[in-house]
Amino acid sequence: ETGVTQTPRHLVMGMTNKKSLKCEQHLGHNAMYWYKQSAKKPLELMFVYNFKEQTENNSVPSRFSPECPNSSHLFLHLHTLQPEDSALYLCASSPVRGAATNEKLFFGSGTQLSVL
Amino acid sequence: GESVGLHLPTLSVQEGDNSIINCAYSNSASDYFIWYKQESGKGPQFIIDIRSNMDKRQGQRVTVLLNKTVKHLSLQIAATQPGDSAVYFCAESFNQGGKLIFGQGTELSVKP
Repeated sequence: ETGVTQTPRHLVMGMTNKKSLKCEQHLGHNAMYWYKQSAKKPLELMFVYNFKEQTENNSVPSRFSPECPNSSHLFLHLHTLQPEDSALYLCASSPVRGAATNEKLFFGSGTQLSVL
Repeated sequence: GESVGLHLPTLSVQEGDNSIINCAYSNSASDYFIWYKQESGKGPQFIIDIRSNMDKRQGQRVTVLLNKTVKHLSLQIAATQPGDSAVYFCAESFNQGGKLIFGQGTELSVKP
């Protein structure tokens, strides 16, 4: 276990549905991330939060809406997704984004999302 | 833009043999490199990292080698075991604290 828990593990949704992905970290970290992992493509950074403040939005469509109520929890709200959004969505955390000594990310197991 | 790529998408080795997974990076300013292992149905798991002021770093059964001259990174796994079967990703970052840029991954299969 990495200390980063994601729910649900699997999600199937229609294009008109609204759903949310949840991530919780028990590592005392202050930075949290959302990544998208599609087949045969590198991990794509979506959002970064540092001390609950969003510090990066990597040109992600507005149908993905992140929320970080505190340093331990991160959500990704999904609305009117497209079939091409089907992918594994990974949450990660690190001690502090931009720390001089450590960029090591700790990943959750991901949510496998299928959009029909 | 900068990218991190892997030379081979798949690698098959015999159990007990040593494995070498390669990675090429394009940004000579990158100062931090990291290897992750991702097993089926799981998220990436940290293996080992190295900073650009080092050429080699060893962990338990793993060694990372960094050749800055040719911008090449490799992961060596000694005495490969079936449990090592997974996809291995390298990633780089630059300007300390910069975001990690991931490669596509190499799938390692270990034959019994």
